[in-house]
Amino acid sequence: DTEVTQTPKHLVMGMTNKKSLKCEQHMGHRAMYWYKQKAKKPPELMFVYSYEKLSINESVPSRFSPECPNSSLLNLHLHALQPEDSALYLCASSHSSLRGTRNTEAFFGQGTRLTVV
Amino acid sequence: ILNVEQSPQSLHVQEGDSTNFTCSFPSSNFYALHWYRWETAKSPEALFVMTLNGDEKKKGRISATLNTKEGYSYLYIKGSQPEDSATYLCASPRAFGNEKLTFGTGTRLTIIP
Repeated sequence: DTEVTQTPKHLVMGMTNKKSLKCEQHMGHRAMYWYKQKAKKPPELMFVYSYEKLSINESVPSRFSPECPNSSLLNLHLHALQPEDSALYLCASSHSSLRGTRNTEAFFGQGTRLTVV
Repeated sequence: ILNVEQSPQSLHVQEGDSTNFTCSFPSSNFYALHWYRWETAKSPEALFVMTLNGDEKKKGRISATLNTKEGYSYLYIKGSQPEDSATYLCASPRAFGNEKLTFGTGTRLTIIP
């Protein structure tokens, strides 16, 4: 199974709502990522978890809160978002370089299309 | 080159023709170069991960070359088919490892039947 599954596929939320994006993989990957992609721009890294610990936070506003409850699951909790946060949110996984694996490909989900109104 | 850049931004190619496009990346502190294919409404899919200068990789009708000294990679598609229509992204890690990938803006390829 080489799939990364993201739910929901689409989400519309108000600026006062709290919602969560979910991501799951069963490839035994110990690195999991959140990317944000705006139209006509490249995906931008937000967070990286390695072995269930947050290893990279690319100065993301605190209204985005990641969580990695176990090695297969990754969540992104959303609260008090702004309309400019509307984007495609991609989850990805790969082998982690922490234990020596380098330069392997990332596997991506289809993304959650988020609209903040 | 400070960022990962791709050219052209978009390309229309007649079915059956061959094509190629470019990814440019910083040649200093090079670690690896990734190519991904991203079809509409699907997940980005890895094509190649390349690390060695002069390396050439092939997958069916698609191949890629790497020049780490001058900081570029070419992706070639031979005999384009409609299913090759996609956005092709390249990415390079900013540190030794897999985690900090910086993506280019992509080349959007449309195959005209």
